Amino acid sequence: GNSVTQMEGPVTLSEEAFLTINCTYTATGYPSLFWYVQYPGEGLQLLLKATKADDKGSNKGFEATYRKETTSFHLEKGSVQVSDSAVYFCALSASSGYSTLTFGKGTMLLVSP
Amino acid sequence: KAGVTQTPRYLIKTRGQQVTLSCSPISGHRSVSWYQQTPGQGLQFLFEYFSETQRNKGNFPGRFSGRQFSNSRSEMNVSTLELGDSALYLCASSLEPSGGQYNEQFFGPGTRLTVL
Repeated sequence: GNSVTQMEGPVTLSEEAFLTINCTYTATGYPSLFWYVQYPGEGLQLLLKATKADDKGSNKGFEATYRKETTSFHLEKGSVQVSDSAVYFCALSASSGYSTLTFGKGTMLLVSP
Repeated sequence: KAGVTQTPRYLIKTRGQQVTLSCSPISGHRSVSWYQQTPGQGLQFLFEYFSETQRNKGNFPGRFSGRQFSNSRSEMNVSTLELGDSALYLCASSLEPSGGQYNEQFFGPGTRLTVL
């Protein structure tokens, strides 16, 4: 079946530090890949997505590249801000059939001033 | 355009009771999915509805059920509540249900259910 593995947190960084959150997946075919962010007390917001190999999704300074050869979709940001503190979820959607999302466990990011 | 709305936002029930949660999708979206979020299990898929039909179901007991109305609004019901049902229940809507270019899911704020 489909699965997503992402690094456990919390990840603690100082403001303006470089961020990487690792995500690898197992799926048949060519899934779409997503990063969602959840702020305290809120639902999930789509941060970025990629639908085919070598696609780079980007939004608000965050980037992730769909690497089929390594089945990875690592999230990066060059300079984090305190406001980026949240839980980040990597997810995939199967290439056909249903749009059901399979999520990783989530990684909490804490950014201090 | 208004986002996905869920009601109520918070709910406290006791074991053995039943509960109904409501979700109104983004206008024009016809697919609604439900997820359960707990600290231990993370985010788990419950079910997906499109055009009033359940298209897909996750690995949950029959106590969990749902339905979708002709206006695409959806409800989920949990009967005979157990302590382990305490969770954040998230609803997501999308334009298309499956495999399409526009199947991106937009999430509501969730309903926090506490079972005592």
